[in-house]
Amino acid sequence: DTGVSQNPRHKITKRGQNVTFRCDPISEHNRLYWYRQTLGQGPEFLTYFQNEAQLEKSRLLSDRFSAERPKGSFSTLEIQRTEQGDSAMYLCASSREVSATQYFGPGTRLLVL
Amino acid sequence: AQTVTQSQPEMSVQEAETVTLSCTYDTSESDYYLFWYKQPPSRQMILVIRQEAYKQQNATENRFSVNFQKAAKSFSLKISDSQLGDAAMYFCAYRSRGGSQGNLIFGKGTKLSVKP
Repeated sequence: DTGVSQNPRHKITKRGQNVTFRCDPISEHNRLYWYRQTLGQGPEFLTYFQNEAQLEKSRLLSDRFSAERPKGSFSTLEIQRTEQGDSAMYLCASSREVSATQYFGPGTRLLVL
Repeated sequence: AQTVTQSQPEMSVQEAETVTLSCTYDTSESDYYLFWYKQPPSRQMILVIRQEAYKQQNATENRFSVNFQKAAKSFSLKISDSQLGDAAMYFCAYRSRGGSQGNLIFGKGTKLSVKP
């Protein structure tokens, strides 16, 4: 396993701009999760995929957020019209199945000015 | 809804000594998983140890062990022979066993410092 990778690692943007993050899970992991972590807090669940299907979205995922996982491989998380409150670390995790351990990527740190 | 509480924002331990990090959780479910994850500064989160609620035996991984008290809904992590590399944020997490979602619910974390 090469591990979960995320790009970019850091992103600085101005309020109102759109940003997109990418997550490459461990190969053959059919479950992919997105979490958001703000300073001083633990990660909070945003959404998850089973293969290419997005099965659940948390209330934290406003309509400015959209996630995709075409072909059930990598996933993208897009934030439209960013706000300063979107500044956080965005973490991706993958697992082989629902009961399996989740492996995390290094995260993308977003700063909205 | 399930919640996870870590009441120690920061802890400190002398190298080679033992430290215990506390975690309590609230759930109405009888079957679930509990985890401790470690997040070193500027590095990714890694799994330290995992406990299935149906198992009475406490999980152990080398220098890391847990004290799982199901009735009290307590899940503490003991780190023996602490090393400088153990310095990190430690997160306690809960996951339901039933259902199809599988997302983790995390506490706020405990920052562990290791003094040489």
